[in-house]
Amino acid sequence: EVQLVESGGGLIQPGGSLRLSCAASGFTFSTYSMNWVRQAPGKGLEWVSYISSSSSTIYYADSVKGRFTISRDNAKNSLYLQMNSLRAEDTAMYYCAREGTTVVDYYGMDVWGQGTTVTVSS
Amino acid sequence: DIVMTQTPLSLSVTPGQPASISCKSSQSLLHSDRKTYLYWYLQKPGQPPQLLIYEVSKRFSGVPDRFSGSGSGTDFTLKISRVEAEDVGVYYCMQTIQLPSYTFGQGTKLEIK
Repeated sequence: EVQLVESGGGLIQPGGSLRLSCAASGFTFSTYSMNWVRQAPGKGLEWVSYISSSSSTIYYADSVKGRFTISRDNAKNSLYLQMNSLRAEDTAMYYCAREGTTVVDYYGMDVWGQGTTVTVSS
Repeated sequence: DIVMTQTPLSLSVTPGQPASISCKSSQSLLHSDRKTYLYWYLQKPGQPPQLLIYEVSKRFSGVPDRFSGSGSGTDFTLKISRVEAEDVGVYYCMQTIQLPSYTFGQGTKLEIK
């Protein structure tokens, strides 16, 4: 079964750091680009960051640039998001999502994890 | 950044009746590779988003054929031919033509009458 499982969320004070993890299984992780997407309580979806399969290409939303770092370990089938200088507005459910693609089709984000909750509050 | 605008933001539909959601992008989503990078997702209560439609009109694996997508350029539509109770949730359109910033629509909440 294709699966993504996030972990590492929690309650953190403003200015603090947190590292999220996303464990992939059921597919060849090393061949897929990955994303982090977040959703503030009661709000819509916001793309956060993208990393290509080989880590050669990385992008961030302006809202997190300079504070968040995306990375992956293909040997461990894992995706990470290092979050520094956290702010109240970073409070959200964080999802990891796979970018599915074949020779013919590009599926966009076709597999999502259940998410991990990050709460930034004093 | 490309702005995605959905209408309506909410709709209430009687089971068995059709529903339609519009999504307009501030720039064309047609790429030079001739693909149009527009996607539709459904987020059911308490769940992560699930992919319904990719590249404007292609149904993802396992998606019922009552869901269909259409459109081109900057104007897109998701249609549900006969709404069922399990279709409740929030529908989002998303563009992936422009990195470094994928963007989602605001979401459209579908409720059953």
